[in-house]
Amino acid sequence: AQKVTQAQTEISVVEKEDVTLDCVYETRDTTYYLFWYKQPPSGELVFLIRRNSFDEQNEISGRYSWNFQKSTSSFNFTITASQVVDSAVYFCALHLRPSNTGKLIFGQGTTLQVKP
Amino acid sequence: SAVISQKPSRDICQRGTSLTIQCQVDSQVTMMFWYRQQPGQSLTLIATANQGSEATYESGFVIDKFPISRPNLTFSTLTVSNMSPEDSSIYLCSVGSTGEQYFGPGTRLTVT
Repeated sequence: AQKVTQAQTEISVVEKEDVTLDCVYETRDTTYYLFWYKQPPSGELVFLIRRNSFDEQNEISGRYSWNFQKSTSSFNFTITASQVVDSAVYFCALHLRPSNTGKLIFGQGTTLQVKP
Repeated sequence: SAVISQKPSRDICQRGTSLTIQCQVDSQVTMMFWYRQQPGQSLTLIATANQGSEATYESGFVIDKFPISRPNLTFSTLTVSNMSPEDSSIYLCSVGSTGEQYFGPGTRLTVT
């Protein structure tokens, strides 16, 4: 079975703190994609990153970084020097390849609150 | 990336009525997807809509409740039929192929 677990339901930090959002996934497939999305209070889903299962290189984009470890089936997301605008719900998702459905399996989401 | 629009952005509906949500994409896409996000919950795929064929529904979702149309490669509609308060959710349209998935702004539905 395929599953995505985000064990942290809510995280609260003070502005400028670093914060890591955990994501653990389960799949027997060897080819898949992993995603992170941000959902601000307005409700739209904002695409942050996609990672191919064959690419274990970590990635940094500004204050955002992602750590992909196949050995532990984890794809964690770190925000450095958090800002109030980072407050949102963050979803990790799994997409199986090849797939005729394009179905994304989402974790339950982590609500991040950044306080000024 | 694809630009996706949805109408309406939000609505308040009475129990027993139906609402049709429209999804428009700025480019031709093979697959379109409809997701539901109940309050405080994650996203769940309702169905996949391919142009020229019937939609494929996920377990727990049926065509009578959520009929879908896909008349061309840039447009789809989702109808929420015979609504109850449990249907209050955000409904999101999504497009993509393997490895790329983009979402519309969502339709926030409240059923009273």
